[in-house]
Amino acid sequence: DGGITQSPKYLFRKEGQNVTLSCEQNLNHDAMYWYRQDPGQGLRLIYYSQIVNDFQKGDIAEGYSVSREKKESFPLTVTSAQKNPTAFYLCASRRGRLNTEAFFGQGTRLTVV
Amino acid sequence: AQSVTQLGSHVSVSEGALVLLRCNYSSSVPPYLFWYVQYPNQGLQLLLKYTTGATLVKGINGFEAEFKKSETSFHLTKPSAHMSDAAEYFCAVSEVATGNQFYFGTGTSLTVIP
Repeated sequence: DGGITQSPKYLFRKEGQNVTLSCEQNLNHDAMYWYRQDPGQGLRLIYYSQIVNDFQKGDIAEGYSVSREKKESFPLTVTSAQKNPTAFYLCASRRGRLNTEAFFGQGTRLTVV
Repeated sequence: AQSVTQLGSHVSVSEGALVLLRCNYSSSVPPYLFWYVQYPNQGLQLLLKYTTGATLVKGINGFEAEFKKSETSFHLTKPSAHMSDAAEYFCAVSEVATGNQFYFGTGTSLTVIP
């Protein structure tokens, strides 16, 4: 089945450590996105990529980094510079045209301990 | 920048009653509009979308939404609420000016009272 796979579903990190969240899609979509979700704040865009080897910052990119070396993969690294990383992270992909919907993964819940 | 407003962060309805979730956007050019549903600890699932054509759009699970350009609105409705409709609902927009980004509202949590 085609879809988006995020792993792991739950992740615990000690303060000061970097951690990488995985996102893989087999939908052959050009565009991929990372969102952060906090209670009462909706989804806020962290980074997005419209083609391989290119990506742009979203509204809350500070403390995060991404890469897009393959069309299928768009990993997100939460660095120690991110002051409040505990959140639910969602990855999405899209065919790349404005009138198309985004497809979402099941999310990764990151907790800093 | 594009703005999406969802009035009412929490809505409660009785089972069998009308569901109305509100969404307004701020853009001089009508964007593409979407409604998503999210169940606890899961990703988002598309309910319906408006791109062009008929302004009344029908989606999954009996939901529909009407695009009203004059009111810059895209409210989501369902004639009769079911217990399984309890979830978080998000309105989203996409337009040329934002360079292929999706902008989401802050969400509305729907509670269905038996």
